[in-house]
Amino acid sequence: EVQLLDSGGGWVQPGGSLRLSCAASGFDFSATAMTWVRQAPGKGLEWVSAISPRGENVYYADSVRGRFTISRDNARNTVYLQMYSLRPEDAAIYYCAKNHYATVAYSYWGQGTLVTVSS
Amino acid sequence: QSALTQPPSASGSPGQSVTISCTGTSSDVGAYNYVSWYQQHPGKVPKLMIYEVGNRPSGVPDRFSGSKSGNTASLTVSGLQAEDEADYYCSSLAGRTVIFGGGTKLTVL
Repeated sequence: EVQLLDSGGGWVQPGGSLRLSCAASGFDFSATAMTWVRQAPGKGLEWVSAISPRGENVYYADSVRGRFTISRDNARNTVYLQMYSLRPEDAAIYYCAKNHYATVAYSYWGQGTLVTVSS
Repeated sequence: QSALTQPPSASGSPGQSVTISCTGTSSDVGAYNYVSWYQQHPGKVPKLMIYEVGNRPSGVPDRFSGSKSGNTASLTVSGLQAEDEADYYCSSLAGRTVIFGGGTKLTVL
């Protein structure tokens, strides 16, 4: 059974940092691209970042490029999202998601971890 | 990049069909056959309903179908059922990023 367990969210002041983690199981993690998607409370989905199976290619939304870093540890079946210089508009539920085969569709989602940015 | 354009709401009666549109540009929806659709019930995580324009993952009823013409993709739900009431989001590859639509709230009357 595919499982994605998001963690690491919390409250942070503007300008602060957080690192999100997503522990995966139930599939061949090292052969699967992974993605982070966020959703502000009451708002729609926003694609944030993605990483290729071996981590050699990373992709970012314009809104987070230069502030967020995606990485993965295939030995630990975990993908990370390091977030720096957080802004109030970064506040959201952050979901990690498993890419559906070699597509840019997301077939499994974590339960989400809430990031709150306020002073 | 701007979000893909979806109608804020759509509705239909049980048994009817409803189509939700998703309009992008020649740089996203029009450029790639990588349009996906997600269903999200309140308080739940999104669920993949359609990928690569018109493909259904296993377990998704064939009442759900997808298509694309030019810069506009569409999701059609046939034989509406009460449990189809949810928010629906489209997404598309857009070069080195992915963009989502703003979402459509589907109400089953």
